[in-house]
Amino acid sequence: KNEVEQSPQNLTAQEGEFITINCSYSVGISALHWLQQHPGGGIVSLFMLSSGKKKHGRLIATINIQEKHSSLHITASHPRDSAVYICAARRGGADGLTFGKGTHLIIQP
Amino acid sequence: GAVVSQHPSWVICKSGTSVKIECRSLDFQATTMFWYRQFPKQSLMLMATSNEGSKATYEQGVEKDKFLINHASLTLSTLTVTSAHPEDSSFYICSASSRGTFYGYTFGSGTRLTVV
Repeated sequence: KNEVEQSPQNLTAQEGEFITINCSYSVGISALHWLQQHPGGGIVSLFMLSSGKKKHGRLIATINIQEKHSSLHITASHPRDSAVYICAARRGGADGLTFGKGTHLIIQP
Repeated sequence: GAVVSQHPSWVICKSGTSVKIECRSLDFQATTMFWYRQFPKQSLMLMATSNEGSKATYEQGVEKDKFLINHASLTLSTLTVTSAHPEDSSFYICSASSRGTFYGYTFGSGTRLTVV
C-alpha cells in the first residue's frame, strides 16, 4: 500500500462543476502539499498545509490531521484547470516529498 | 516569486554516455535541493537530497555512483547521469527549498531524458 493514496485517478467534468480530489496518507507528516503538473511535466506548487484550510482564487485545500486526509476543491471549474493534481506528504521539516499517483483532471467546455 | 531554472528541458543521448542536468535558483538561496524522477504513468519518486556544501543523501535503491549530485553553491545543483542506459530514460525534476521560505518547495521545469 502506498503511503499516499489519491482518488479518483481520473476525473472528467463539465465546465463550471465543483471538483473534489481526495488524498489519504498513512504516515505522520509535517506538511501536505498539493501540486499541479501540466502535460509538459512542469510542476507548480499550489498549497502547503499543516492544518485547517487554505484558499487561493478558485482553489481550496483542506486537511484533517486526525483522519490523515486532505482534499483539494476547485470551484467553477474551467478547461484551463485540466492537469494532473498531485498530493505529496512531507514527514519532517526539511524532508523530500512522498507523492501520490496523481489525479488526471479534464474539464470539458 | 521563487524561480528554479532547470535545463536542459530534454536530452537524447547514446547509451554509455553521461548527461548533466542543472538546476539554478534565480532569486533565492537554495539551501536544500531535492532530485526526483518520474517514469511514465508513475508517481514522482525522490532520488536524493542535497544540502549546500554537503554530500547528497540518496534514497534506497538509487546508485550514488551512477547519479552524481553536486550542490557546491546556494544557487546551483547538478545531477549527472553517468554511463546512461535506456532504463535511465525518465523525467527528472529538481525542487529547491530555502530555510527562509519555511520549507516551501519550488520546482524546476523538469528534464526528459531519453537514452538510445
